[in-house]
Amino acid sequence: DIVMTQGALPNPVPSGESASITCQSSKSLLHSNGKTYLNWYLQRPGQSPQLLIYWMSTRASGVSDRFSGSGSGTDFTLKISSVEAEDVGVYYCQQFLEYPLTFGSGTKLEIK
Amino acid sequence: EVQLVESGGGLVQPGASLKLSCVASGFTFSDYWMSWVRQTPGKTMEWIGDIKYDGSYTNYAPSLKNRFTISRDNAKSTLYLQMSNVRSEDTATYYCTRAADAWGQGASVTVSS
Repeated sequence: DIVMTQGALPNPVPSGESASITCQSSKSLLHSNGKTYLNWYLQRPGQSPQLLIYWMSTRASGVSDRFSGSGSGTDFTLKISSVEAEDVGVYYCQQFLEYPLTFGSGTKLEIK
Repeated sequence: EVQLVESGGGLVQPGASLKLSCVASGFTFSDYWMSWVRQTPGKTMEWIGDIKYDGSYTNYAPSLKNRFTISRDNAKSTLYLQMSNVRSEDTATYYCTRAADAWGQGASVTVSS
């Protein structure tokens, strides 16, 4: 199985500052078709996860442009520019290159 | 509006069976692969498996393949998860998802005697 490892944030993050969440995969998620098979989700407190980013860097419908995804084949970053109160929650990365699909352990964001 | 509504969760004894349902609305259900994902009380996310839009193909997490079965009824826009011989480690919130971009509110399953 592909192991997804997420980094921690130096919580709490001051409101208005930027935050970067890292995720590393044990195998390259870059497919021969040029696409990188990585999703990012946000799970707000008491809610279901919601898709933020797919194909490593494409924002899902309705997602603020304060969220951006980047990376290489195995190292990925979700950047949140100018964090707001509504960004509080746990962020998960997930690979969908191969079965079984696997998630990172989550990164919690708190706002000051 | 896309909606996924799970039901069928609850308290179940070890070794028993349980069937979860997920009713979809707001989109053409038969056009999409659908999946089940669970989240443990410790917030670990685990992919369970998925099913092709016509129900002809399924994939499972290897550790669950022998006990969990995913099926669908496109006429009823409903996805199912049949769980058998449940164990305490199956205690989790179970989410129905449309690919990655839509999730239900989750069904809570507690396995305990």
